[in-house]
This record gives sequence, structure tokens and C-alpha cells, in this order.
Amino acid sequence: RKEVEQDPGPFNVPEGATVAFNCTYSNSASQSFFWYRQDCRKEPKLLMSVYSSGNEDGRFTAQLNRASQYISLLIRDSKLSDSATYLCVVSHNNNDMRFGAGTRLTVKP
Amino acid sequence: DTGVSQDPRHKITKRGQNVTFRCDPISEHNRLYWYRQTLGQGPEFLTYFQNEAQLEKSRLLSDRFSAERPKGSFSTLEIQRTEQGDSAMYLCASSFDRYSEAFFGQGTRLTVV
Repeated sequence: RKEVEQDPGPFNVPEGATVAFNCTYSNSASQSFFWYRQDCRKEPKLLMSVYSSGNEDGRFTAQLNRASQYISLLIRDSKLSDSATYLCVVSHNNNDMRFGAGTRLTVKP
Repeated sequence: DTGVSQDPRHKITKRGQNVTFRCDPISEHNRLYWYRQTLGQGPEFLTYFQNEAQLEKSRLLSDRFSAERPKGSFSTLEIQRTEQGDSAMYLCASSFDRYSEAFFGQGTRLTVV
């Protein structure tokens, strides 16, 4: 079993749609959680950290369920510029970061 | 540009040759990470440094791979006797500490022919 598993995608949605990505992790001792965004042929960039109580940043909402070892990302009112691969990242003891394979999103006009 | 820089951006080498990549982290960042990414996959952790100390190495890092960060600033990743399976994007990232955001460089794309 992979340490971090994500929805395989791809997700193709129209502009304005709401889309949700899920991620599960295997190490129950994991302490830090993030969503990174990676555009085609570019390096990953931090989208947002994920906090235990859940957190929101504009159109983006992240949730964490430690009991189920599950993380989610919700994007509301999708924009064309949201098209990218979204990477779920889990850190154990705040040391190395382990990435999921990514979920590819395409937002269409 | 004060971001993470990697050199070279692209490297084509023949199977069996040795290659070395360099990463210059953001100034004052204590942590430095190396990842490998292949098409359609997320970055796979290889190793990381806290200052000059290499604190963890992935099982992916065979004995043909070695990484150094001699003065706690730039780092090098060397692959000896390259194989076609080594073809990938090699990403470097740095962070101030273990709680801070990690910033990635643009990567070195290695092609082994």
C-alpha cells in the first residue's frame, strides 16, 4: 500500500463547478498535511496547509480526518486557471514530506 | 532570483556514465530535500539534510546514488553508472525549518540513453 493515495482523476469540470479531491494516508503518526499544486512541466508549489479543524482560503477548503486518515480539498467556483495537478502531501514527525501521485484537474469553459 | 536553483536544467547521458546535479537552496534555509519525479507520478522522496547532516535516505536511494551538503549550503546529487530507469526529473526543495513551507526548484531533467 502506498503511503499517500489520491483519487486517480482526471477530473474535467466546467467553469464555476465545485470539485472535491480525496487523499488517504497510511501512517497514523503523520503530523503535518498539505496540498501542493503542480502546473504542467513546473515545480510543485504550496497551495495550503491542512489543519485539524479544517481551514479555508478563498475558494479552497481543506479538511482533515485523523481517525479515518483522510484529507480532502474542495474547490468552489472553479476557474480556468485552477487547471493543474493537485498533490496531497503528508509529513511524519515534520521531517520528510511524502507525496501522493496527484490528481489532475481540467477546468473547461 | 532568490528562489531554489538547480543546475543543469537538462542532462542527457549515456548509460553507465556518472552524473552530478547541483542545488542551491534559498539562503538561510536549513533543510534541503531531494525528490525524483516520473511522468504521471508525484515526487518520490530520496533524502533530506538538516544543515550539513543527511538525516534520512529513502530505500529508493541505491548505492549508486549519493548526496552531499558539505557546508550546509548547496547540495549535490551524484548518480553513478546511470541506468535507463534513472531517467526522471530530479527536484530539490528547501525550507527554513521542519515547520515551514518547502520551496521547490525547477528541477533537473535527466535522460539516460
